[in-house]
Amino acid sequence: DAGVTQSPTHLIKTRGQHVTLRCSPISGHKSVSWYQQVLGQGPQFIFQYYEKEERGRGNFPDRFSARQFPNYSSELNVNALLLGDSALYLCASSWGGLGETQYFGPGTRLLVL
Amino acid sequence: EDKVVQSPLSLVVHEGDTVTLNCSYEVTNFRSLLWYKQEKKAPTFLFMLTSSGIEKKSGRLSSILDKKELFSILNITATQTGDSAVYLCAPKMYSGGGADGLTFGKGTHLIIQP
Repeated sequence: DAGVTQSPTHLIKTRGQHVTLRCSPISGHKSVSWYQQVLGQGPQFIFQYYEKEERGRGNFPDRFSARQFPNYSSELNVNALLLGDSALYLCASSWGGLGETQYFGPGTRLLVL
Repeated sequence: EDKVVQSPLSLVVHEGDTVTLNCSYEVTNFRSLLWYKQEKKAPTFLFMLTSSGIEKKSGRLSSILDKKELFSILNITATQTGDSAVYLCAPKMYSGGGADGLTFGKGTHLIIQP
């Protein structure tokens, strides 16, 4: 079975632009979470979606938004990019029950110039 | 504010050595603690610990949780160069809204020299 997949793998944008990152969860998983990992830090929680509803949100500005589709794939959108948004964006999927293990995708490395 | 502290932040040892990585946490409504290994990009799952004092083991790796003292350790025996990675711990909390987001520490960067 395929693991979590993310696209694109790398992306370069300039300040002020908008970006959309995509994630497909493991087959059968209904929950998707997004994390931002800045160099030298652990991943930071951005959003969690379950059955197309937002279940939780971390401490990120409104420039960050996400959604989940009927097939449980998800998009993370970031508007008005700042240099500080440069990071590895990780998607994790889980079956959806509370307490389930989250499995991570390979991430999208975003560079904002 | 939730806090997760991992130590040491970096560690260099020789192949065959045994290492102990530490994770202490101060979080509200603790549910469980997860350990991940991150080599290049995707963190890969190692252990989920829910109960105090019960060691989980997988090959040369083992981990234990102390819910009274609020810490966990990850042991790796007979280390190999393939164990070189960043090891992340992440407590998971109960959330009224049902959110399951993980709070990660900064990680321990482990380097195994041949």
